[in-house]
Amino acid sequence: NAGVTQTPKFRVLKTGQSMTLLCAQDMNHEYMYWYRQDPGMGLRLIHYSVGEGTTAKGEVPDGYNVSRLKKQNFLLGLESAAPSQTSVYFCASSRGQTNGYTFGSGTRLTVV
Amino acid sequence: AQKVTQAQTEISVVEKEDVTLDCVYETRDTTYYLFWYKQPPSGELVFLIRRNSFDEQNEISGRYSWNFQKSTSSFNFTITASQVVDSAVYFCALIAGGTSYGKLTFGQGTILTVHP
Repeated sequence: NAGVTQTPKFRVLKTGQSMTLLCAQDMNHEYMYWYRQDPGMGLRLIHYSVGEGTTAKGEVPDGYNVSRLKKQNFLLGLESAAPSQTSVYFCASSRGQTNGYTFGSGTRLTVV
Repeated sequence: AQKVTQAQTEISVVEKEDVTLDCVYETRDTTYYLFWYKQPPSGELVFLIRRNSFDEQNEISGRYSWNFQKSTSSFNFTITASQVVDSAVYFCALIAGGTSYGKLTFGQGTILTVHP
């Protein structure tokens, strides 16, 4: 049972480039989330999804887009990367709205 | 709006010392859920505990214990007889109601270093 899998694990982008982070979960969870982690700021919610075909903005959505075409996948896109988007990105899923999350192992993104 | 504050940015202890990590939360909702996560140097986030707002009983799991006090809006985490393997970043987090339902709000994290 893989849980939550994130790809890639590391990436370096040049300013202005685009990329997509993939999150896949095999637990049949309805809820999925994308967070970014920055030093001294904890984890902040970027976007989330409460089910297949749905997405919603979190605390820091600007510069990111998401899609959830299949229940098991949640994609995070950066259309035009900026140095301020250098961060560690975590995907998570949960069975219900009050359950703890299962997190992926993270993606370390550097924008130069 | 919900908020979680972990006032201790970094804590350094020597092995076998007891250490308490503080967590203070803010919410107007009467139903909410509190969590602690551990992030070891390898980077993954590990779930430690979930507690709902109606259960103020303290919990002990091995060397770990949690003290939940609604009167002070605190959910503190104590490690007894700390070990080097406890070195990690620890996050306190909250799920409350209203438009925030289902979304974890994290504190800033406390970096714990246990020296041999």
